[in-house]
Amino acid sequence: AQSVSQHNHHVILSEAASLELGCNYSYGGTVNLFWYVQYPGQHLQLLLKYFSGDPLVKGIKGFEAEFIKSKFSFNLRKPSVQWSDTAEYFCAVKRDSGYALNFGKGTSLLVTP
Amino acid sequence: DAGVIQSPRHEVTEMGQEVTLRCKPISGHDYLFWYRQTMMRGLELLIYFNNNVPIDDSGMPEDRFSAKMPNASFSTLKIQPSEPRDSAVYFCASSIGFFYNEQFFGPGTRLTVL
Repeated sequence: AQSVSQHNHHVILSEAASLELGCNYSYGGTVNLFWYVQYPGQHLQLLLKYFSGDPLVKGIKGFEAEFIKSKFSFNLRKPSVQWSDTAEYFCAVKRDSGYALNFGKGTSLLVTP
Repeated sequence: DAGVIQSPRHEVTEMGQEVTLRCKPISGHDYLFWYRQTMMRGLELLIYFNNNVPIDDSGMPEDRFSAKMPNASFSTLKIQPSEPRDSAVYFCASSIGFFYNEQFFGPGTRLTVL
């Protein structure tokens, strides 16, 4: 079954620092990948998604992710983080059949002033 | 649109009691998903429905868990009897069946079983 792994469980950055969160997926075929964010006390919301085409995907709030097939990776990036980016970030992959998603365990990001 | 609605937002119960969690998906969405989030296991899919029919319940932990979707606007997740290890945040999400449409999540129900 398709799965994703997130390398970093906790990340602490200062405001204006650059961010890169790692995500690797397990399957070598066609993949549909997502990044979701969960702000403190809020529900999960979609940051961006990749289905096909341009491997550099731009999402909301200045986030982007690059799909690198040769590395089985879909890392999330932001050039300059803000305090308001403090949240939990989840990478997810659509399962082989149907529309369910398999999520990674999440990365908790704390941005300090 | 009000988004996905879940109730209750918090539930505290004692071991052995029955717990029922409720979800109202976004109108027009034909897929509904139940997830559980814990520190140890992260976010796990429990079950999902398409047009009110359960499609994949392989994530349901054991027979103590059951889920129903009697109509397009309502679903329940029941735990009977509840155990302390069931303590988690339970999320409901819905989507339109077009495969590249995103899943919209509800605010979750935080369940504590004492």
